[in-house]
Amino acid sequence: IVMTQSPDSLAVSLGERATINCKSSQSVLYSSNNKNYLAWYQQKPGQPPKLLIYWASTRESGVPDRFSGSGSGTDFTLTISSLQADDVAVYYCQQSYTTPLWTFGQGTKVEIK
Amino acid sequence: QVQLQESGPGLVKPSQTLSLTCTVSGGSISSGSYYWSWIRQPAGKGLEWIGRIYTSGATNYNPSLNSRVTISIDTSKNYFSLNLTSVTAADTAVYYCARVDRASELISYWGQGTQVTVSS
Repeated sequence: IVMTQSPDSLAVSLGERATINCKSSQSVLYSSNNKNYLAWYQQKPGQPPKLLIYWASTRESGVPDRFSGSGSGTDFTLTISSLQADDVAVYYCQQSYTTPLWTFGQGTKVEIK
Repeated sequence: QVQLQESGPGLVKPSQTLSLTCTVSGGSISSGSYYWSWIRQPAGKGLEWIGRIYTSGATNYNPSLNSRVTISIDTSKNYFSLNLTSVTAADTAVYYCARVDRASELISYWGQGTQVTVSS
């Protein structure tokens, strides 16, 4: 499965909304449990990725509620409702539908305007 | 607190074998609740899943690397390893080891990553 993110980068003013899209080349929805095997990660320079969202819309424990995920099937969105300076990072989507072979999107760089 | 730490040479010559070890502390690598993965990231690029190993020793590899990669595990010493043969400049990357929860297929812990450069 090929994961394609858009845009490649975006600049958003502090306090404004940031929206990142992820499209998979085939559905990542398991009909047996109605779960989308889609996760979102945040990566800051020099650090490993950090899990933000899994099953497309479930927020990982400790992740601020300004981060939210939505979508199903092949089209997904990560939204940062009110951008903070600490949110400057690269964001990746990742599918585990075809486990054990995982694939990641190419990443979206979020900066402050 | 579980910690994973990658170690190995930072520089490997073309055509040689890249060998890395991931030492796990704060938890047992023998737990059947997890499997252990390698993921890499070329500079300025995205993430590529390399492969994983179960405590039983069973493995799965990325087909794009399948013929060159071997992952092994030493439960007595609490570490697992990556060998990648016949390396080229395209294998230059930060290499991460990770612990994956089997039930959720989610990465619960990452190593900090280690830079490996392939150059003569």
